[in-house]
Amino acid sequence: DAGVTQSPTHLIKTRGQQVTLRCSPKSGHDTVSWYQQALGQGPQFIFQYYEEEERQRGNFPDRFSGHQFPNYSSELNVNALLLGDSALYLCASSLVRRGLVDYGYTFGSGTRLTVV
Amino acid sequence: AQTVTQSQPEMSVQEAETVTLSCTYDTSESDYYLFWYKQPPSRQMILVIRQEAYKQQNATENRFSVNFQKAAKSFSLKISDSQLGDAAMYFCAYRRGTSYDKVIFGPGTSLSVIP
Repeated sequence: DAGVTQSPTHLIKTRGQQVTLRCSPKSGHDTVSWYQQALGQGPQFIFQYYEEEERQRGNFPDRFSGHQFPNYSSELNVNALLLGDSALYLCASSLVRRGLVDYGYTFGSGTRLTVV
Repeated sequence: AQTVTQSQPEMSVQEAETVTLSCTYDTSESDYYLFWYKQPPSRQMILVIRQEAYKQQNATENRFSVNFQKAAKSFSLKISDSQLGDAAMYFCAYRRGTSYDKVIFGPGTSLSVIP
């Protein structure tokens, strides 16, 4: 049973550039959430996708955008990169159960983004 | 807004001993879930234990147990018989009762296990 897969593992970009991170959810999951984890801090919620739509969004600027595909995989795009965007980006998948409650996220190992 | 606080940035424990990690949270909701996640150097977040707010009984998973004090909004994690593999960052987390809501994480506690 494949877990959550993220690519690439590491990435170095220059300030001002654009980056795309990818996530394949766990088999059977239909919801993807993205988190930013700065060094030494807890993950911060960026946004969540369900049924190919952004359902919730955290306190992140419009430079952060995303997409979910029909196969439930997802992309996170960041435009006009800033030095402060350097972080570990985590993808988490889950299953929405109407009327029932799921049991939380399954996380990927993340993409380490360094902006220089 | 919901918040999660972990007041211990770092903790250490001798191998085979017991350690307790603290967590407090703030919410006005009555239906919610609490989690402890472990993040080893491999970076992948691993769910350690979860607690439904409507359950009075404290959750237990093998060597891991919680002390859930709903009125005090406290959710501590006890690790018994600590092992070297328990060394990691531990994050306390909160989510409202709907399964598609975001999870809010605390700042984390770095646990070291001393051989």
